[in-house]
Amino acid sequence: EADIYQTPRYLVIGTGKKITLECSQTMGHDKMYWYQQDPGMELHLIHYSYGVNSTEKGDLSSESTVSRIRTEHFPLTLESARPSHTSQYLCASSERVQETQYFGPGTRLLVL
Amino acid sequence: KNQVEQSPQSLIILEGKNCTLQCNYTVSPFSNLRWYKQDTGRGPVSLTIMTFSENTKSNGRYTATLDADTKQSSLHITASQLSDSASYICVVADRGSTLGRLYFGRGTQLTVWP
Repeated sequence: EADIYQTPRYLVIGTGKKITLECSQTMGHDKMYWYQQDPGMELHLIHYSYGVNSTEKGDLSSESTVSRIRTEHFPLTLESARPSHTSQYLCASSERVQETQYFGPGTRLLVL
Repeated sequence: KNQVEQSPQSLIILEGKNCTLQCNYTVSPFSNLRWYKQDTGRGPVSLTIMTFSENTKSNGRYTATLDADTKQSSLHITASQLSDSASYICVVADRGSTLGRLYFGRGTQLTVWP
């Protein structure tokens, strides 16, 4: 089992609320990633980081933002949640680019 | 366009039976191919990883094959168990990008019945 954690596991909130999804890993990995996954669909990369103070947008446009102040921590923030943000958000990390990514359990977000 | 296609979309088998899942890809230049298992409500877990020169790789009851010429891979599950019920995702890495761009298939949803 990978040492990568996500909280909360489930979140139901109203439109317009600000939320932060937490992701932390204890493997010392420099590379971290956020993916969005809808039921029956492929994972889409929305943010990634190569290390502290490094963040980049992924392939899928997202209104969320991320920060990487510490190696082990990679939170994702939505300033104003909307129903279109309803999805599963998966955090992952890897030691090096193109090496195996280890995934957290995911956060299932429902915006009403 | 780099794509990963998996078939079948879903599969139901009886416990103890074998099954084979397929993955076709157009990703180029190819770096490696991984099969992940994703249990419901969990994150994906890596089962196997194969590079260009590898044809077969096993992990317990899971055996993956790769034909880099035809850009096809398969995942064979032997003597299925109820715990094998999950989504199996094929992931191909692009050697051409510094990010190590990954292309994900939509997965095959496997259900094993007793």
